[in-house]
Amino acid sequence: RKEVEQDPGPFNVPEGATVAFNCTYSNSASQSFFWYRQDCRKEPKLLMSVYSSGNEDGRFTAQLNRASQYISLLIRDSKLSDSATYLCVVNDGNNRLAFGKGNQVVVIP
Amino acid sequence: IAGITQAPTSQILAAGRRMTLRCTQDMRHNAMYWYRQDLGLGLRLIHYSNTAGTTGKGEVPDGYSVSRANTDDFPLTLASAVPSQTSVYFCASSAEPSTDTQYFGPGTRLTVL
Repeated sequence: RKEVEQDPGPFNVPEGATVAFNCTYSNSASQSFFWYRQDCRKEPKLLMSVYSSGNEDGRFTAQLNRASQYISLLIRDSKLSDSATYLCVVNDGNNRLAFGKGNQVVVIP
Repeated sequence: IAGITQAPTSQILAAGRRMTLRCTQDMRHNAMYWYRQDLGLGLRLIHYSNTAGTTGKGEVPDGYSVSRANTDDFPLTLASAVPSQTSVYFCASSAEPSTDTQYFGPGTRLTVL
């Protein structure tokens, strides 16, 4: 089983709609969790950290479920500029970050 | 502008040639990393450095070497390039090893023919 698994998509989302996707991780000792955004042919950039209590940043909400070992990202009121690949990143407990392959989101006008 | 720079932006290289990818950060971060990103495989860690003077192997270190002579620079060397090393290479840094947010450079697109 891979350390971090994501459904690559693409997730085709009408503009203004809500999209949500999960990421599962295999190491129960994982301690830190992040969502990164990567635009085509660009470097990954931190979108938000994921806290145990869940957190929200504008239209973006991230949640952590330790019991089921997954984190989620929800995007409300999708904008065309939200089109990107969203990478799930986990501190795998061995003092290294493990990256998922990403969820590709395409917001359609 | 603070951040990470990488050079070159892109390179086409003949197999068997030696190549060094450069990475410099001005944030005084202790930890630095080299990743490669291939279609369908995601980001994979090649080598890392937790602090100046130390380096370690990541998930896919074979065919690559690194050095960390000072805080700012973390070059990646391909001693004898092979076509399977065609990839996009990202350098990253974090204030402290792994548990902190990583900041990425713009990447180097390398093609080995």
